[in-house]
Amino acid sequence: GENVGLHLPTLSVQEGDNSIINCAYSNSASDYFIWYKQESGKGPQFIIDIRSNMDKRQGQRVTVLLNKTVKHLSLQIAATQPGDSAVYFCAEKIITGANSKLTFGKGITLSVRP
Amino acid sequence: EPEVTQTPSHQVTQMGQEVILRCVPISNHLYFYWYRQILGQKVEFLVSFYNNEISEKSEIFDDQFSVERPDGSNFTLKIRSTKLEDSAMYFCASKIRGGTDTQYFGPGTRLTVL
Repeated sequence: GENVGLHLPTLSVQEGDNSIINCAYSNSASDYFIWYKQESGKGPQFIIDIRSNMDKRQGQRVTVLLNKTVKHLSLQIAATQPGDSAVYFCAEKIITGANSKLTFGKGITLSVRP
Repeated sequence: EPEVTQTPSHQVTQMGQEVILRCVPISNHLYFYWYRQILGQKVEFLVSFYNNEISEKSEIFDDQFSVERPDGSNFTLKIRSTKLEDSAMYFCASKIRGGTDTQYFGPGTRLTVL
């Protein structure tokens, strides 16, 4: 399958440990943020999202933190599993207006050591 | 679970040839998108489509590109005269409504231009 991680930074974690993946976004007007996971040979898969009026949102084993002051987004994965190995992208958009596109970050490869 | 499908999974073409990439969005979705991802790089927005017309396009989406929803189920991306630099993964995405609704991505078509 397609290996989209060739030129991306890699985070290597031990199975069972917590993972923190960071993202710096570019547009201070963005008010909606999403984390996607992309496994080899597949399209991006939605993980969790957050609106700019929040600074934290939790899902199943995942937490997204938003710091608008420094335009920083992070994804925390609890008890990382081998199936979490993938490339992770943050994406941003502006909710209102005609602009409906997602703008993606570069991506980080998460590698889980058994 | 409904999913976005794309065909073919891999398309090889000669430079200057026309290609049509096909997508079947999730059936009750109203917003459609094409993105591309050059190997090792981030996912880039190409075009969004709603109510049978383009709602937004990026600078990548020049006159060589066109999109069409020829019937109630298919959403196509045509590249009239392919260039070497068009080689990439092309992802189709769809969502039900505007705003913060999740975009669901297809598995992608890998386009190789020789």
